[in-house]
Amino acid sequence: AAGVIQSPRHLIKEKRETATLKCYPIPRHDTVYWYQQGPGQDPQFLISFYEKMQSDKGSIPDRFSAQQFSDYHSELNMSSLELGDSALYFCASSPNSGGESDEQYFGPGTRLTVT
Amino acid sequence: DQQVKQNSPSLSVQEGRISILNCDYTNSMFDYFLWYKKYPAEGPTFLISISSIKDKNEDGRFTVFLNKSAKHLSLHIVPSQPGDSAVYFCAASGGSGGSNYKLTFGKGTLLTVNP
Repeated sequence: AAGVIQSPRHLIKEKRETATLKCYPIPRHDTVYWYQQGPGQDPQFLISFYEKMQSDKGSIPDRFSAQQFSDYHSELNMSSLELGDSALYFCASSPNSGGESDEQYFGPGTRLTVT
Repeated sequence: DQQVKQNSPSLSVQEGRISILNCDYTNSMFDYFLWYKKYPAEGPTFLISISSIKDKNEDGRFTVFLNKSAKHLSLHIVPSQPGDSAVYFCAASGGSGGSNYKLTFGKGTLLTVNP
């Protein structure tokens, strides 16, 4: 079965650079979530999109922005990178059934290292 | 403030025995609970979920029990197999108004099943 695809899997950037992470949800899933997992930490919710509109926002820095495109893929744009942004970034998708809580299916993650 | 708590960082059991992973939560507005399994360098894999209107959900070797009055849930794995060795995350959703589906995770429990 098709899963959530994230690219790149690994990314190394220097401080103050920008990075773009991409997420391709499972086909027919219209909701995308982004999470950040620091070393030894639990995943923290950043932002979510439903039908190409932002649906919820968590602890996402103002330096980060994201969007969902017409084909439902999503991109997380990160600017002025800081050392503390080094983390695993997970994307998850769910088949929003209009009001019911649905399971979220996670991609393999992008490991971002800021040097 | 950790709203989802997994107080046991690790658990070791013998193959064939029962594994019991515990999770407590503080936000009484959570109405949907999920368990994820995570291997190193991979994204969390959905295992099983339970709605707050139920107290038990079973899927093969996995059973989740929910005690709403105690704000406690547990995951039972019977019989445990060496391939079950992984980090198990408890997650909850609901309670924030609007789009309630973002997940709040516990810090995870490392399960080791010994042959």
